[in-house]
Amino acid sequence: EIVMTQSPATLSGSPGERATLSCRASQSVSSKLAWYQQKPGQTPRLLISGASTRAPGVPARFSGSGSGTEFTLTISSLQSEDSAVYYCQQYYDWPPLTFGGGTKVEI
Amino acid sequence: EVQLVESGGGLVQPGGSLRLSCAASGFDISTHWMTWVRQAPGKGLEWVANMRYHGNEKYYVDSVKGRFTISEDNAKNSLYLQMVSLRAEDTAVYYCARVNDYSNYVLDVWGQGATVTVS
Repeated sequence: EIVMTQSPATLSGSPGERATLSCRASQSVSSKLAWYQQKPGQTPRLLISGASTRAPGVPARFSGSGSGTEFTLTISSLQSEDSAVYYCQQYYDWPPLTFGGGTKVEI
Repeated sequence: EVQLVESGGGLVQPGGSLRLSCAASGFDISTHWMTWVRQAPGKGLEWVANMRYHGNEKYYVDSVKGRFTISEDNAKNSLYLQMVSLRAEDTAVYYCARVNDYSNYVLDVWGQGATVTVS
């Protein structure tokens, strides 16, 4: 089973600041990495697939990078509506599909 | 509009059974892999089960093997999760989700979730 580890657990920032979220895989997942956003009380939403491809309708301030075992989700300019928990998920080797523990972003 | 709507959640005693349903609209589930993901209170996301269209491949997380069964009814365009021998640790919000594509195995459409409480 591939274990996904996210850091930090919580990230606090002010509007307009840059935020960097990390996701590490216990073994290489190539570029088979997705990011999801879950706002309080809401359903998860796909943000990024293939490590760097934004899903339709996702604002350009969200960008993903990395390959192998190290990945980053960057929010270039934090907005108040970006308050959420962000999860990474690998789909290189399944079952099981595995998610990271999440990073909570507070604005 | 592409949409998934879950139903069937509720309160059940340990050892009991429950069947979750997930009605799809705006797309045909017989052309997509489908999956169930759960989220325990205050916790992260956990994949539970998935199945290939036409049901000839099904996979489960180890903790539910032998207790949960994923299935579909193409005529009703619906996905199901039959849960038996429920335990307290199965308490969670259960989401059904659509897999985008086998080569891009990400979850691009999610339902609103069904709450299962085992107590």
